[in-house]
Amino acid sequence: EAGVTQSPRYAVLQEGQAVSFWCDPISGHDTLYWYQQPRDQGPQLLVYFRDEAVIDNSQLPSDRFSAVRPKGTNSTLKIQSAKQGDTATYLCASSFPFSNERLFFGHGTKLSVL
Amino acid sequence: DAKTTQPDSMESTEGETVHLPCSHATISGNEYIYWYRQVPLQGPEYVTHGLQQNTTNSMAFLAIASDRKSSTLILTHVSLRDAAVYHCILRTNNNNAPRFGAGTKLTVKP
Repeated sequence: EAGVTQSPRYAVLQEGQAVSFWCDPISGHDTLYWYQQPRDQGPQLLVYFRDEAVIDNSQLPSDRFSAVRPKGTNSTLKIQSAKQGDTATYLCASSFPFSNERLFFGHGTKLSVL
Repeated sequence: DAKTTQPDSMESTEGETVHLPCSHATISGNEYIYWYRQVPLQGPEYVTHGLQQNTTNSMAFLAIASDRKSSTLILTHVSLRDAAVYHCILRTNNNNAPRFGAGTKLTVKP
């Protein structure tokens, strides 16, 4: 069974540039999560979807970050104008459509904003 | 979800048994205890979970206190591959998103 796939693996930007992260969840998983993990910290939830609907995006900086999952499968997380404080690993995870199912994580995208 | 408290770091030697503690004094009756582990350059990996009874699988043994205010993840015969950050998190059964803390960094010496 294929795992959660993320691309790119690495991204290096100057402040003010835009970047998109792409996630392909495990087939059959209806719930998809995006986490931000700064260096030496635990993953912090940004947003999560059930199918194409956003369930919680309260921690997503809406002025610069956006996330979509238009067909309830793949998802894209975009940063419009990156800041140095956005330097982190961005993790995507997915889970089966039952409560309390374990999460399966991708390898993440490591973003450096110079 | 209620909060968990874990030590920042622990150290062990190959072949030993390691007890990783987690405190969750304000846990609610419908909150499950989950453990994930994370190695560098990878996302967290599920280890185990439980509600009230102790559980065991190929990766670890989870011991849950009778009052559920603490739990311990027990790793037997640790190897260098067990070196990771271990996250203890609580999750209700309403399919909400897990919230992670910093976890415990386990170092394993040869």
